[in-house]
Amino acid sequence: GAVVSQHPSWVICKSGTSVKIECRSLDFQATTMFWYRQFPKQSLMLMATSNEGSKATYEQGVEKDKFLINHASLTLSTLTVTSAHPEDSSFYICSARQTIDYEQYFGPGTRLTVT
Amino acid sequence: EDQVTQSPEALRLQEGESSSLNCSYTVSGLRGLFWYRQDPGKGPEFLFTLYSAGEEKEKERLKATLTKKESFLHITAPKPEDSATYLCAVQPFSGNTPLVFGKGTRLSVIA
Repeated sequence: GAVVSQHPSWVICKSGTSVKIECRSLDFQATTMFWYRQFPKQSLMLMATSNEGSKATYEQGVEKDKFLINHASLTLSTLTVTSAHPEDSSFYICSARQTIDYEQYFGPGTRLTVT
Repeated sequence: EDQVTQSPEALRLQEGESSSLNCSYTVSGLRGLFWYRQDPGKGPEFLFTLYSAGEEKEKERLKATLTKKESFLHITAPKPEDSATYLCAVQPFSGNTPLVFGKGTRLSVIA
């Protein structure tokens, strides 16, 4: 199956700093990528949909100025958490959708801890 | 509104005890139905895509089936390593929309 990578797999940062998470589709091109966050023992929560070369579409309640998404190429999307606070601590997961069959593959996730 | 309901929420099986997980859906138009497996602290792992009623797919001890209203994930002779949360999602036909997920079934297989 198709592979999606995320980097870093975990990160600890201080409150007020910014953190960038990269999501790459390794063996296919993805016009559309998605960003999710997940709290312990809870369901995936969609944050935003990003399309290559255009602005991301954010879900209701997600601050677009806080969670900056860039989808500059067909294989790379980035999520930057700006001015992070402890409540931003979570598990962030990206996914990439194949254009040809709409199959969607997920990255391994990034554990963010803000101290 | 597109909706996915999974049952049961949790399932505990003895090793070797076969069972089925259910995914009921309502969607304006179905482009595809997806099954994923998620282990704690990891991203969902793709298992199957089903596109039309009557379609079946198999992988090791897992078999997924699809009707016009629901999908089943059959687990034959499960092993402890099959323990995970199984997620069902539908891809609507309309536009560039994201997957609609169910809440998942937490499967525990006891040796």
